[in-house]
Amino acid sequence: AQSVTQLGSHVSVSEGALVLLRCNYSSSVPPYLFWYVQYPNQGLQLLLKYTSAATLVKGINGFEAEFKKSETSFHLTKPSAHMSDAAEYFCAVSPMNYGGSQGNLIFGKGTKLSVKP
Amino acid sequence: KAGVTQTPRYLIKTRGQQVTLSCSPISGHRSVSWYQQTPGQGLQFLFEYFSETQRNKGNFPGRFSGRQFSNSRSEMNVSTLELGDSALYLCASSLGELIAKNIQYFGAGTRLSVL
Repeated sequence: AQSVTQLGSHVSVSEGALVLLRCNYSSSVPPYLFWYVQYPNQGLQLLLKYTSAATLVKGINGFEAEFKKSETSFHLTKPSAHMSDAAEYFCAVSPMNYGGSQGNLIFGKGTKLSVKP
Repeated sequence: KAGVTQTPRYLIKTRGQQVTLSCSPISGHRSVSWYQQTPGQGLQFLFEYFSETQRNKGNFPGRFSGRQFSNSRSEMNVSTLELGDSALYLCASSLGELIAKNIQYFGAGTRLSVL
């Protein structure tokens, strides 16, 4: 069975510092991987996704993530944090051999990012 | 272009009642998925509909049901509400079915409180 583990339920960084949010997955077959962001009282917004093309994926708002099969990881990074990045971030996985339909997303528990001025 | 619209935004019900939540997808989108979000369990997939057909279903009891209409609007119903059903219910729509080729757009959710 697939699963996603996000290390650290809360991460705090200073404005301008590197953002690193960790995600490890467990899957018997190579998966599709996603990062979503959720702002207070809003739904989720897709930041980026890995679908077996380039292992370094660039997303919106300056975020990127690298798929590392040997480490079963898909960590999210941003070189310089902005105050507007404060939100909750979710990593999600969907196995490639499922037929690829939308619904089979398994989410991590989320990481709340705080940005200090 | 209007986003995914979920109504109502907030709902308060008592145990044993039933509730119907509505989701209007982005115009032209044919795939609609529902998720339940709680502090304890996080985000869990409920069901997915494409062209009025249920394609996938998560691991929820039969009290949770859904449907999709010919205009792609979707409703989910929860019967015999329990306290544990208190959650944020999120709806997401996408143009097509394949997750690799499409982007899911989420609504702001319906927050259900069961007293």
